[in-house]
Amino acid sequence: SAVISQKPSRDICQRGTSLTIQCQVDSQVTMMFWYRQQPGQSLTLIATANQGSEATYESGFVIDKFPISRPNLTFSTLTVSNMSPEDSSIYLCSEIRTGYGYTFGSGTRLTVV
Amino acid sequence: GESVGLHLPTLSVQEGDNSIINCAYSNSASDYFIWYKQESGKGPQFIIDIRSNMDKRQGQRVTVLLNKTVKHLSLQIAATQPGDSAVYFCAENPFQGGSEKLVFGKGTKLTVNP
Repeated sequence: SAVISQKPSRDICQRGTSLTIQCQVDSQVTMMFWYRQQPGQSLTLIATANQGSEATYESGFVIDKFPISRPNLTFSTLTVSNMSPEDSSIYLCSEIRTGYGYTFGSGTRLTVV
Repeated sequence: GESVGLHLPTLSVQEGDNSIINCAYSNSASDYFIWYKQESGKGPQFIIDIRSNMDKRQGQRVTVLLNKTVKHLSLQIAATQPGDSAVYFCAENPFQGGSEKLVFGKGTKLTVNP
């Protein structure tokens, strides 16, 4: 099965700071996705990260707040910038590949204080 | 706009009973649907999927039914076990502009009582 390693698994951050979340996949994939899951809620797509091009953001999410990098086909980062308590959520990365479907990382539980 | 929703936010069943979790979707162009299980502190785990050219698909103890006429999806779990306790999400691929993104429903928390 496909494997995604996501880190950190959790963090507590001060408001106004930034946190970068990393996702490493075990094979080259074209598309990676970043989701936010607010407490007790479902997953909401933040953006699609394609290698070699800028990420495509969903309505309500902007690059200045959630910059994404995709330097190669096995790695991506999501930064949560200038954090406020409202950013406290679980952030998950995901990828899709032929034969495996969609695979999710275990998530990063972020608490902003 | 597109949306995927669930009828029941919580479901409590006795061990050994069958469970049915429902989901409604609004985008008639969606061609691919997935059910996920999410346990506390973990990412979503794939359970079963179905494409829009099918109306039923079975896995091990699970069955997914798709009714395109009323845009309804259900997940049936046979002989529910305590290990099935989790939050279940349906997700659809609206396939807009060739995108592979998924749109998730609200989730149903399943509790299995021993």
